[in-house]
Amino acid sequence: GAVVSQHPSWVICKSGTSVKIECRSLDFQATTMFWYRQFPKQSLMLMATSNEGSKATYEQGVEKDKFLINHASLTLSTLTVTSAHPEDSSFYICSARADRDTEAFFGQGTRLTVV
Amino acid sequence: GQNIDQPTEMTATEGAIVQINCTYQTSGFNGLFWYQQHAGEAPTFLSYNVLDGLEEKGRFSSFLSRSKGYSYLLLKELQMKDSASYLCAPMDSNYQLIWGAGTKLIIKP
Repeated sequence: GAVVSQHPSWVICKSGTSVKIECRSLDFQATTMFWYRQFPKQSLMLMATSNEGSKATYEQGVEKDKFLINHASLTLSTLTVTSAHPEDSSFYICSARADRDTEAFFGQGTRLTVV
Repeated sequence: GQNIDQPTEMTATEGAIVQINCTYQTSGFNGLFWYQQHAGEAPTFLSYNVLDGLEEKGRFSSFLSRSKGYSYLLLKELQMKDSASYLCAPMDSNYQLIWGAGTKLIIKP
């Protein structure tokens, strides 16, 4: 299957700092990328949908000024958690798909811990 | 509203067969995906059904009935490594995947 690479796999940061997470589709062009957050033993929660070259569409309740998403190319999207707080600690996962009716492939996920 | 219903947890024996059922209600429908997620890892794609019927892929098969809003994932010859959560994810009219909490499958020797 297609490969989506997400970095870093884990990060620990101090409260108040910003963290950037990268998501790359390595062997296909991703017209759409999705960013999810998942708390332990809970379902995936979609944060935002990002189409290349346009602004991300955020889900209700997700602060767009806090979770900055950039999808500058067909192979790269970034999520920046600004002014992180301990409650932002979670497992963040990106996924990418080439077309709207094809499967979405997931990155490895990033475990963020804010101390 | 949009809704997914899967059993929270199932237990099966190594070497056996298990069927994980999923019923869904979505605004429009553009196919249904099954993903496997091991604890602490991201989901991995298992299958995609857009037409009614059974899709077989090795030890895993997936079935879809659009009129009933129903799908199942069938796992044969269970192995210990199959212990994971299985996520049923239909795609709505906006091609958005709808996620439930998944079914945690526990395999016992």
